[in-house]
Amino acid sequence: AQTVTQSQPEMSVQEAETVTLSCTYDTSESNYYLFWYKQPPSRQMILVIRQEAYKQQNATENRFSVNFQKAAKSFSLKISDSQLGDTAMYFCAFPAWGTGNQFYFGTGTSLTVIP
Amino acid sequence: EPEVTQTPSHQVTQMGQEVILRCVPISNHLYFYWYRQILGQKVEFLVSFYNNEISEKSEIFDDQFSVERPDGSNFTLKIRSTKLEDSAMYFCASSEARALGDTQYFGPGTRLTVL
Repeated sequence: AQTVTQSQPEMSVQEAETVTLSCTYDTSESNYYLFWYKQPPSRQMILVIRQEAYKQQNATENRFSVNFQKAAKSFSLKISDSQLGDTAMYFCAFPAWGTGNQFYFGTGTSLTVIP
Repeated sequence: EPEVTQTPSHQVTQMGQEVILRCVPISNHLYFYWYRQILGQKVEFLVSFYNNEISEKSEIFDDQFSVERPDGSNFTLKIRSTKLEDSAMYFCASSEARALGDTQYFGPGTRLTVL
């Protein structure tokens, strides 16, 4: 079974600074995907960024980028130039093979951007 | 941009009562999911649904739970006789397809409190 671990329950960052959220996972699969989702207070989870494991290049979406280290099974999210709207819960997620395509989630990291 | 919606946002019920949580997936999506998150714990997969039948369910999804697509737009989760431990945030999600790596789009969640 897949497992996903987020070891930072809470983090804070000053506005305009850079912050990195960590995620590690365990799988025996060779090809897979990894996701970061963001959940602002009382809002739905939205996709931040997605990484395909067979792609060596780290995914980037504007101010969001990942540091994907396949051998170490690490998938961290870097947020550059943090903005107040980045305040949210961030979940790392890993979809499973099989008929259900269920996602495995970490426990989440609550990020607060401080003005 | 289309969104998954869920109602109600908060449901309070007495132990032993039946509850129905409602979701409206994105209109052209074919695959539907329910997850739950007990406070302080991981988001956990409950069930996936396609073509009017369950594709996969977790061990959490016992006989007390059922899902239904009663019409062309709604997707419901019924808990027949609620227990205290059913108190959690329940998330509905949908995806256009079911290939590994396909993004699941989540609703804002329903917070269920069982007294």
